[in-house]
Amino acid sequence: KNEVEQSPQNLTAQEGEFITINCSYSVGISALHWLQQHPGGGIVSLFMLSSGKKKHGRLIATINIQEKHSSLHITASHPRDSAVYICAVVPGGGADGLTFGKGTHLIIQP
Amino acid sequence: KAGVTQTPRYLIKTRGQQVTLSCSPISGHRSVSWYQQTPGQGLQFLFEYFSETQRNKGNFPGRFSGRQFSNSRSEMNVSTLELGDSALYLCASSTRDRSYGKLFFGSGTQLSVL
Repeated sequence: KNEVEQSPQNLTAQEGEFITINCSYSVGISALHWLQQHPGGGIVSLFMLSSGKKKHGRLIATINIQEKHSSLHITASHPRDSAVYICAVVPGGGADGLTFGKGTHLIIQP
Repeated sequence: KAGVTQTPRYLIKTRGQQVTLSCSPISGHRSVSWYQQTPGQGLQFLFEYFSETQRNKGNFPGRFSGRQFSNSRSEMNVSTLELGDSALYLCASSTRDRSYGKLFFGSGTQLSVL
């Protein structure tokens, strides 16, 4: 069974700070998703990656397949970045559906 | 382009009843997946359909079922509702199956079982 661990569970930071959220998983995967969920429930897909690094605006996602670890970075954080960030993995071979981490609750204070 | 549409938005049922939730994917998307979200368990995968075929199923009892129609719209059904089925049910659509593509989520159906 694939376990997905996220850290930290909760993070409060000041506007402008550099934010890092970590995700570790226990078995081989085919791909990893980073998702953002705002209060009210809506979920937005930020990245899907299977190797290396992706960047979109102030967001950067990296993955190290050998170490079974991924990070999501937010540069120049802003209060509108306040949300829950969820890591989800696609098990190797795609035989099972997504396995989700518990999420990181991020609050950016002005 | 319209997003993923889930209906109804809110639903209140009593124990023992059954419920059907609907999900209309983005036009052209052939994959629809369903998820349950609760405060205690977080997000959990229910099942995925691609071109009317169930590709994957999560670890949920047989009371949870689904189907996909030829126009890619999908429904999920929960029979003999239990209090623990109270949750936010989300669907997502994608162009690729088995979660290999970017996922587009609907706003969800909030189900309360009394």
